Amino acid sequence: GQSLEQPSEVTAVEGAIVQINCTYQTSGFYGLSWYQQHDGGAPTFLSYNGLDGLEETGRFSSFLSRSDSYGYLLLQELQMKDSASYFCAVRDRTGTASKLTFGTGTRLQVTL
Amino acid sequence: NAGVTQTPKFRILKIGQSMTLQCTQDMNHNYMYWYRQDPGMGLKLIYYSVGAGITDKGEVPNGYNVSRSTTEDFPLRLELAAPSQTSVYFCASSLDRGIYGYTFGSGTRLTVV
Repeated sequence: GQSLEQPSEVTAVEGAIVQINCTYQTSGFYGLSWYQQHDGGAPTFLSYNGLDGLEETGRFSSFLSRSDSYGYLLLQELQMKDSASYFCAVRDRTGTASKLTFGTGTRLQVTL
Repeated sequence: NAGVTQTPKFRILKIGQSMTLQCTQDMNHNYMYWYRQDPGMGLKLIYYSVGAGITDKGEVPNGYNVSRSTTEDFPLRLELAAPSQTSVYFCASSLDRGIYGYTFGSGTRLTVV
C-alpha cells in the first residue's frame, strides 16, 4: 500500500519562509504533488514533481528526492492568505491506472 | 468554463436512505475521481474512471457505486446510507493522470443521521 507522512501543524510569521516536509512509501512511484485547501474549500493544485530537484512557481517551490522518498513544499514571503491546509499526494500506479493518494495534510497558520 | 460542478452542496440523509451525488465537468477530461474527506483528514479515493464506460474501485469503495456513461458525468450512488458515510465528498477530474493537477468540485457535505 501507500503511506505519506507530513507534520500536522506549522505556524509561521507573515513575511517569513516555511518548509512543509513529506515522506512517502509506495510502489510504482510516478511523482509527488502538492495541493492547498482553505477551510471549507476545495483542494487546489500547486505543483508536481516527477523528477528529482526543485520546481519553482512564484512564491512556492517544491522539491523531490526519489532516492530518499522525500519531498517538501517551500513557501516564501508568507502572506495571511497562505493560512490553509497543504496536502502532499503521491501519484502511483496500482490497478488499472495511476492515481493520487493524499497525505493527511499540514495546517499552516500565518501570524502577524 | 464552469470546471467541475457538484450537486447538491449539502444534504442530510436518514440511515438506510439512498441518494446520488452528481458531478459534471465541462473540460473534456477523460479522468474523473470521487474522494471523501473526513474532518481533519486527507482525501480517500472511493472510485475513479479513466473514460466513459470504465470505472474502478479506489481505497474505500464499500457502500458506494458509480457509473460513467458520458465523458462529462460521473455520479456517485450511496445505497443504504450509514453514519460512517458522513463526510465531505469531492469530485475531481484531470486531463492526464495528474501531472497537470486535478480540478476539484466545491464538494458535497453529507450528514447521515
